[in-house]
Amino acid sequence: DIQMTQSPSSLSASVGDTVTITCRASQTIRTYLNWYQQKPGMAPNLLVYAASTLQSGVPSRFSGRGSGTDFTLIINSLQPEDFATYYCQQTYNFPRTFGQGTKVDIK
Amino acid sequence: QVQLVQSGAEVKKPGASVKVSCKVSGYTLAEVSMHWVRQAPGKGLEWMGGFDPGQDVIIFAQKFQGRVTMTEDTSSDTAYMELSSLTSDDTAVYYCTVASYCSGATCYSDYNWFDPWGQGTLVSVSS
Repeated sequence: DIQMTQSPSSLSASVGDTVTITCRASQTIRTYLNWYQQKPGMAPNLLVYAASTLQSGVPSRFSGRGSGTDFTLIINSLQPEDFATYYCQQTYNFPRTFGQGTKVDIK
Repeated sequence: QVQLVQSGAEVKKPGASVKVSCKVSGYTLAEVSMHWVRQAPGKGLEWMGGFDPGQDVIIFAQKFQGRVTMTEDTSSDTAYMELSSLTSDDTAVYYCTVASYCSGATCYSDYNWFDPWGQGTLVSVSS
């Protein structure tokens, strides 16, 4: 199984900050990498697919990059509604696997 | 667009089984690749299994093999996930979700992602 490791597990940031979340795969997954945002009590919401393509309707302050084993999700000018938990997911092969999540909270 | 509506919360005793349903609308069940993901309280997302169109089979995470069944009723466009031999470790919110290959007018043969998701079904296991 492909292991997905996110870092950090949590971070504190202020409105307006730039936040970078890293996701590393245990083997190459090319660009078969998705990012989701989840708020408490809600289902996950897709942000980025294929490593760098922003889902329709997602604000442009979110961006994804990377290929192979190393990926990043960047949130520019953090907004109050961005405080949430973020997960990466590989769809390179089965079983599908998620990172353990990165919780972004208010400093 | 696809919408997923799940059945309500369940409370079960250890050793029992639970069956969660997921009603598809906007598309037929035959047109989507259904997956199930669970999330224990305060924990991350855990993929349980889902349909692999490349092999035309449902694939399960190894830890659930032999204990989970995923079925579909195409007459009502409803998918089901049944988990047996429940323990307290199975207390979680269970989500159905669809592997999508298209975003707007752009479709891919291989890139896919989970969107949309059902609202989640809380399954509590307690004696």
